[in-house]
Amino acid sequence: GNSVTQMEGPVTLSEEAFLTINCTYTATGYPSLFWYVQYPGEGLQLLLKATKADDKGSNKGFEATYRKETTSFHLEKGSVQVSDSAVYFCALNAGGGNKLTFGTGTQLKVEL
Amino acid sequence: GAVVSQHPSWVICKSGTSVKIECRSLDFQATTMFWYRQFPKQSLMLMATSNEGSKATYEQGVEKDKFLINHASLTLSTLTVTSAHPEDSSFYICSAIDSGQPDNEQFFGPGTRLTVL
Repeated sequence: GNSVTQMEGPVTLSEEAFLTINCTYTATGYPSLFWYVQYPGEGLQLLLKATKADDKGSNKGFEATYRKETTSFHLEKGSVQVSDSAVYFCALNAGGGNKLTFGTGTQLKVEL
Repeated sequence: GAVVSQHPSWVICKSGTSVKIECRSLDFQATTMFWYRQFPKQSLMLMATSNEGSKATYEQGVEKDKFLINHASLTLSTLTVTSAHPEDSSFYICSAIDSGQPDNEQFFGPGTRLTVL
């Protein structure tokens, strides 16, 4: 079946540090890949997505590249801010039907 | 735009009672909504797909008679946990797809914390 594996958190960084949150997946066919962010007290929001191999999704300074050869979709940001503190979920959609398979989420804490 | 609300945000109930959770799309119409369940430090698990005007589609292992889903309008889906027990305590999250947009992006509600005593 389909599955998503994310690095465990929490990840604690100082402001302006470089961020990487690893995500790997197992899926049949060619899934679409997503990163969602959940700020405290709010619902999940789509951060970025990629629909085919070698695509790069980007938004708000975050980037992730769809790597078919390593079945990965790692999230990166060059310089994090305190306001980036949130839980980040990697997800995939495979086989149609709009069903999403989520990773366990990674909590990011950014400190001054 | 694309706001999804859930009510209540949290609820505590006694074992054996039923609890209804509402999911509303506030500024768009949604023929398709989804219900997820999330345990602490675990991923969101899809429970069922809610289709306006028709029966919900449940994922394998989810009891349809225990988790009743009604999607009677284009802006409202309800999840009723019947005869709730402590093991049903969890965080329930809904999402909705904007019927008027082509990309099928899911917009998520803030979740409902259910505690069964």
